[in-house]
Amino acid sequence: DAGVTQSPTHLIKTRGQQVTLRCSPISGHKSVSWYQQVLGQGPQFIFQYYEKEERGRGNFPDRFSARQFPNYSSELNVNALLLGDSALYLCASSWTGGEYNEQFFGPGTRLTVL
Amino acid sequence: GQNIDQPTEMTATEGAIVQINCTYQTSGFNGLFWYQQHAGEAPTFLSYNVLDGLEEKGRFSSFLSRSKGYSYLLLKELQMKDSASYLCAVRGGDSNYQLIWGAGTKLIIKP
Repeated sequence: DAGVTQSPTHLIKTRGQQVTLRCSPISGHKSVSWYQQVLGQGPQFIFQYYEKEERGRGNFPDRFSARQFPNYSSELNVNALLLGDSALYLCASSWTGGEYNEQFFGPGTRLTVL
Repeated sequence: GQNIDQPTEMTATEGAIVQINCTYQTSGFNGLFWYQQHAGEAPTFLSYNVLDGLEEKGRFSSFLSRSKGYSYLLLKELQMKDSASYLCAVRGGDSNYQLIWGAGTKLIIKP
């Protein structure tokens, strides 16, 4: 059974550009969460989606947006990129968005903003 | 505010036991997770505690005290492959579904 997949693996953009990152959850999982991880730090929560509805949002500016599709895959969009957006972006899927919610992480997308 | 503290780095010897501590202050609590992350890879789930006490899973055990806002991860019979970062994460905060993460503890295993 395939795990969580993310694309692209690596991405280089320049300041001011826009980027779209994609995530496919484990088959049967209905919840997707997005995290930003800067080198040497723990992941920072960006969004959680469950059944195509936004269930939670972290402390990120409106330049960050996301959505979940009927097949439960998800996209994270970041507009007007800043140098500080350079990070590993992790997608995690889980069966539900409930309290006990073991999250399975994808390999991440390494975004570099020049 | 939300805060999770872990030691930045620890060193231990192959075959030994190591305890990684985590203290947290969050506006809510719905469980604590430990994840392992090897350099350049995604985090992988190790354990989950929601009630006070010890959860044992093979060489790894995790303990929780909700009244003290404290958890630890105990690794026994250390192997070289256990060299990784260990992340403590609490489900709490403004949203019951949000995971708040510590910065991770880098564990270095020496022969």
